[in-house]
Amino acid sequence: EAGVAQSPRYKIIEKRQSVAFWCNPISGHATLYWYQQILGQGPKLLIQFQNNGVVDDSQLPKDRFSAERLKGVDSTLKIQPAKLEDSAVYLCASSLDRNPLYEQYFGPGTRLTVT
Amino acid sequence: EDKVVQSPLSLVVHEGDTVTLNCSYEVTNFRSLLWYKQEKKAPTFLFMLTSSGIEKKSGRLSSILDKKELFSILNITATQTGDSAIYLCALTNFGNEKLTFGTGTRLTIIP
Repeated sequence: EAGVAQSPRYKIIEKRQSVAFWCNPISGHATLYWYQQILGQGPKLLIQFQNNGVVDDSQLPKDRFSAERLKGVDSTLKIQPAKLEDSAVYLCASSLDRNPLYEQYFGPGTRLTVT
Repeated sequence: EDKVVQSPLSLVVHEGDTVTLNCSYEVTNFRSLLWYKQEKKAPTFLFMLTSSGIEKKSGRLSSILDKKELFSILNITATQTGDSAIYLCALTNFGNEKLTFGTGTRLTIIP
């Protein structure tokens, strides 16, 4: 079974630039999550999708962050414009369904550095 | 707001030692507590605990939950260099579906 795929693996941008990350979940997984993990901290949920609908985006800074999962499969997360404090690893995860008793499988993440 | 506190923040031991990692929490309407191992970047699932006093075991790793005292421990016996990683504790509640993570314990095993 193929795992969660993410690209790019690394990205360096200057502040005020924009950036986009891509995630392809495990086939058949209805629920997709984006997390932000700042160095020295645990992952923080940014947004949760169930198929192509948003379940929870309460911690997404909506003035600069946006995410979509148009066909209920792949997802993109965008930051525009980026700030220095956005430097972090962005993790995508997927699970069979939204019930928390289903295991979340994480992708390798994208390390973003904003200079 | 749910809160997860892990201790110690970092730990360095020699190969073969036994370690105990701690996770204490505050949550409204507890559903489950989970342990993950994070090497490099992707966390991988270890255990999910929902009931007090029932030990979950996988090889040299084991974990137990105390819902009265609001904590969990993760034990690793006969540690190996491959156990070096960040160990994350997370919890869920019945009010929403998200995982709330602690800051993690960075474990380093010296050969």
